[in-house]
Amino acid sequence: EIVMTQSPATLSVSPGERATLSCRASQSVGTNLAWYQQKPGQAPRLLIYGASTRATGIPARFSGSGSGTEFTLAISSLQSEDFALYHCQQYNNWPPLTFGGGTKVEIK
Amino acid sequence: QLQLHESGPGLVKPSETLSLTCTVSGASINSRNYYWGWIRQPPGKGLEWIGSIYYSGSPHYNPSLKSRVTMSMDTSKNQVSLKLSSVTAADTAVYYCAADRTVQLWLFDPWGQGTQVTVSS
Repeated sequence: EIVMTQSPATLSVSPGERATLSCRASQSVGTNLAWYQQKPGQAPRLLIYGASTRATGIPARFSGSGSGTEFTLAISSLQSEDFALYHCQQYNNWPPLTFGGGTKVEIK
Repeated sequence: QLQLHESGPGLVKPSETLSLTCTVSGASINSRNYYWGWIRQPPGKGLEWIGSIYYSGSPHYNPSLKSRVTMSMDTSKNQVSLKLSSVTAADTAVYYCAADRTVQLWLFDPWGQGTQVTVSS
């Protein structure tokens, strides 16, 4: 099973600033890596797949990068609606599909 | 517009079987375009994939849950079902169903709103 590790667990950022979230895989997943956003009380929403492709309707301020075992989600200028929990998921080696523990982006 | 809605008991006793239903609207569960997945989120923890089912072939299950999980489809009601047997407190979680488009497999979008299941006597 591929273990996904996200860091930091919590990221405190001021509105308008840039946020950088990390996701590490225990073995290479190529670019088969997705990011999801989850707002309080809501279901997750697909943001990024293929490590760097934005899903339909996702603003350009969200960008993904990386390959192999190291991945990054960047939010260029945080808006109020971006404060949420972010999950990464690998879909290269399965079963099982695996998710990271999540990074909470909170208002500083 | 594709929408999913989970339903089922919010409280299940230890050692019993958890049964949930996901009602799909906006697409047929028999469609070749979709797998249907179940994912859960224990309180304060990350997401855990439970399994995925397609209109043909056998479901795919998480090996850690495989001995206790059964997923099925009811095409007459356009519903996907999840059964998890011999539950313990560790199975307490919000359970989500989600669509997985075959054009880009193993990505979940959209998700249902989720249903809270608590295992307690």
